[in-house]
Amino acid sequence: GNSVTQMEGPVTLSEEAFLTINCTYTATGYPSLFWYVQYPGEGLQLLLKATKADDKGSNKGFEATYRKETTSFHLEKGSVQVSDSAVYFCALSAAGANSKLTFGKGITLSVRP
Amino acid sequence: GAVVSQHPSWVICKSGTSVKIECRSLDFQATTMFWYRQFPKQSLMLMATSNEGSKATYEQGVEKDKFLINHASLTLSTLTVTSAHPEDSSFYICSAGPPSAVKNIQYFGAGTRLSVL
Repeated sequence: GNSVTQMEGPVTLSEEAFLTINCTYTATGYPSLFWYVQYPGEGLQLLLKATKADDKGSNKGFEATYRKETTSFHLEKGSVQVSDSAVYFCALSAAGANSKLTFGKGITLSVRP
Repeated sequence: GAVVSQHPSWVICKSGTSVKIECRSLDFQATTMFWYRQFPKQSLMLMATSNEGSKATYEQGVEKDKFLINHASLTLSTLTVTSAHPEDSSFYICSAGPPSAVKNIQYFGAGTRLSVL
């Protein structure tokens, strides 16, 4: 079956530090890949996506590249801010409309001023 | 962007009572909605897929008689937790995807925190 593996957390960084959150996946075919973010007390929001190999998703300074050869979709940001403190979920969706999402365990990011 | 509204955001109930949670797609029609459960500091676990006009599809291990799902219209799905007990206390989240959206994007409701006393 499909699965998503995220690096263990939590992660604590100082403001303006570089961020990498690892995500690898197992799936048949060519899934779509997503990063969702959950700010404290709020619902999940789509952060970025990639739908085919070598696609790069980007939003709010975050980037992730769909690497088919390493089955990875690592999230990066060059300079984090305190406002980036949240829980980050990597997820995949199999090909086909309205396919369910498979989530990683999520990782909590805390950014210190 | 597409908006999914979930109500209530927080509910406290006595053990043995039933609680209904609503999930609405406000600006698009959703033939399929998804219901998740999230435990503290853990990931989302898919409970069931709600299909408009037909029975929901439940994931393995989810009691269909305990968690009743009704998707009576293209904009509304409801989850009813029947005879709730303290172990049902959790954060319940719904999602839906506009049919015309770029591949498989899901939009999430803000979630419902259920506390069973």
